[in-house]
Amino acid sequence: EVHLVESGGGLVQPGGSLRLSCAASGFTFNTYWMYWVRQGPGKELQCLSTINPDESRTVYADSVKGRFTISRDNAKSTLYLQMNSLRADDTAIYYCVSLTNGAGLDSWGQGTLVSVSS
Amino acid sequence: DVVMTQSPLSLPVTLGQPASISCRSSQSLVHTDGNTYLSWYQQRPGQSPRRLFYMVSNRDSGVPDRFSGSGSGTDFTLKISRVEAEDVGVYYCMQGTHWPKTFGQGTKLEIK
Repeated sequence: EVHLVESGGGLVQPGGSLRLSCAASGFTFNTYWMYWVRQGPGKELQCLSTINPDESRTVYADSVKGRFTISRDNAKSTLYLQMNSLRADDTAIYYCVSLTNGAGLDSWGQGTLVSVSS
Repeated sequence: DVVMTQSPLSLPVTLGQPASISCRSSQSLVHTDGNTYLSWYQQRPGQSPRRLFYMVSNRDSGVPDRFSGSGSGTDFTLKISRVEAEDVGVYYCMQGTHWPKTFGQGTKLEIK
């Protein structure tokens, strides 16, 4: 069974940093593009970043470019999101996702809550 | 970014009755490879989103056949032929043709 388990969320002050982790199991992690998607307080979903299987390519949404860094450790089947210069509007549930355009695995973790507030 | 616009945003439905959700994109979702990457997701209360359809009309495993997806270009529809209690939740369309992938605002389906 596929499992994606996020961790690392919490309360942080504006300007602070957090590192999210996502432990994957039940599928061949090192063959999938992986994504971070967040869901804000109004329930809107936003795709933030993606990384290819061999870590050679990363892409970011404009809203997080230069502040967030996606990475992965295929040996540990773990996805990461380093978040710096956090702002109040980064407050959201952050999901680790194997978003797939076509047939194949499209699976979401349970999410981890990030709250940015003073 | 491609803007995905859903309607209605709230959908009260009587059990056993049909339901329909529209999703329109600000640009064509036909990829250069000829495929159209439009997916539908269901998010039940307290759960993470779950994909129902990919590439417009391909049903994911375990999705009841009372659900159907259709459309082309910039105009797409999710239909439920007979709503059941377990269908309560928020439904999102998502385009995967252009980066960043973008979602609609969500349609909240509730039982009347």
